[in-house]
Amino acid sequence: DQQVKQNSPSLSVQEGRISILNCDYTNSMFDYFLWYKKYPAEGPTFLISISSIKDKNEDGRFTVFLNKSAKHLSLHIVPSQPGDSAVYFCAASLQGGSEKLVFGKGTKLTVNP
Amino acid sequence: NAGVMQNPRHLVRRRGQEARLRCSPMKGHSHVYWYRQLPEEGLKFMVYLQKENIIDESGMPKERFSAEFPKEGPSILRIQQVVRGDSAAYFCASSHRRTSYEQYFGPGTRLTVT
Repeated sequence: DQQVKQNSPSLSVQEGRISILNCDYTNSMFDYFLWYKKYPAEGPTFLISISSIKDKNEDGRFTVFLNKSAKHLSLHIVPSQPGDSAVYFCAASLQGGSEKLVFGKGTKLTVNP
Repeated sequence: NAGVMQNPRHLVRRRGQEARLRCSPMKGHSHVYWYRQLPEEGLKFMVYLQKENIIDESGMPKERFSAEFPKEGPSILRIQQVVRGDSAAYFCASSHRRTSYEQYFGPGTRLTVT
């Protein structure tokens, strides 16, 4: 049962434009969400996170939006740069201090120069 | 501040052999998590440890897999009698507090079972 879903396996955008990566979840007990970026042959790198009590968090070119009623979050990258080309994973954690992260399958972003 | 270190980066084992994967958390971190990534899949939680204690092993297969995080030294993920289905990338993450927030990942160990 896939509790965190990233339905787009890949996304291609032009340099300078906006990249929007989407993530849906099914478990209403999730209370914290994170985005990780992963290059080939490397471990995931933490990018940005958001608590379920917020609907937006911004860090430089990266903004995460959370819509709890729709159980949907998105990561916006503006402007996109070729160095942003990587696989992006959405992850979630449960209320009550559960330590494990539940990951989506990832979306491969390609930013074309 | 050195990041999470894992070794070896690549490990090849024949079916039936044992695999030992090591993870040294970031300095000051006492919480370690192991995840496995199969091809074309996301990372799947295996086990969460603190020094000398297994806190949550709900994602660990019941047989052949074990993990430890001794008082001194790295955390070890041990797979006995490996099978082809164990071929995957194994990632270790660490954090400095009892929370899943902002876990920091190592580069992973890619295990290939021939």
